[in-house]
Amino acid sequence: DAKTTQPNSMESNEEEPVHLPCNHSTISGTDYIHWYRQLPSQGPEYVIHGLTSNVNNRMASLAIAEDRKSSTLILHRATLRDAAVYYCILISGYALNFGKGTSLLVTP
Amino acid sequence: SQTIHQWPATLVQPVGSPLSLECTVEGTSNPNLYWYRQAAGRGLQLLFYSVGIGQISSEVPQNLSASRPQDRQFILSSKKLLLSDSGFYLCAWGILGGTDTQYFGPGTRLTVL
Repeated sequence: DAKTTQPNSMESNEEEPVHLPCNHSTISGTDYIHWYRQLPSQGPEYVIHGLTSNVNNRMASLAIAEDRKSSTLILHRATLRDAAVYYCILISGYALNFGKGTSLLVTP
Repeated sequence: SQTIHQWPATLVQPVGSPLSLECTVEGTSNPNLYWYRQAAGRGLQLLFYSVGIGQISSEVPQNLSASRPQDRQFILSSKKLLLSDSGFYLCAWGILGGTDTQYFGPGTRLTVL
């Protein structure tokens, strides 16, 4: 699977938007971009995924660069419950290979 | 609605002892099933996946094995645990193949002493 690069950590104030970046310069045409998040001592939770077009759901938005070499997960209004490790993953088969992700700290 | 169960929630085992972790899924048929492990401070690593009863694919060679005796049951086993087997073990299910969403269970925290 293609590799992804994410910042180790980010910090946001509560109720402000958060933009979590992910670089995937070696992405192939069949790779889907998935985002999951994991709270401490819990299993990962699906957030959103896309292939080429920007995507929106009730949790977040996913902005995908035109060349697909990077993407950004957007949390429109961060809450304290959004504090978690966010993983950007590329998959075209069965494997979800999680890296270390971005640890998001939300401060009141 | 679909639910996924894992047990036990926590487990402390001596080195050299056997292991059996169980995962069951409710509310869906013929799911793809996965076992992941997360070592302390590291990302998740896919260990095994299964697309049907008796069909197991191994991603990482090690002293662990997996079995799928029933459609919605996935078991992770070891004959002799190593210290390096300690970690957080997660079971997940999905439909329609690997590009689809995967839903994770609550996990089992295994400590090998």
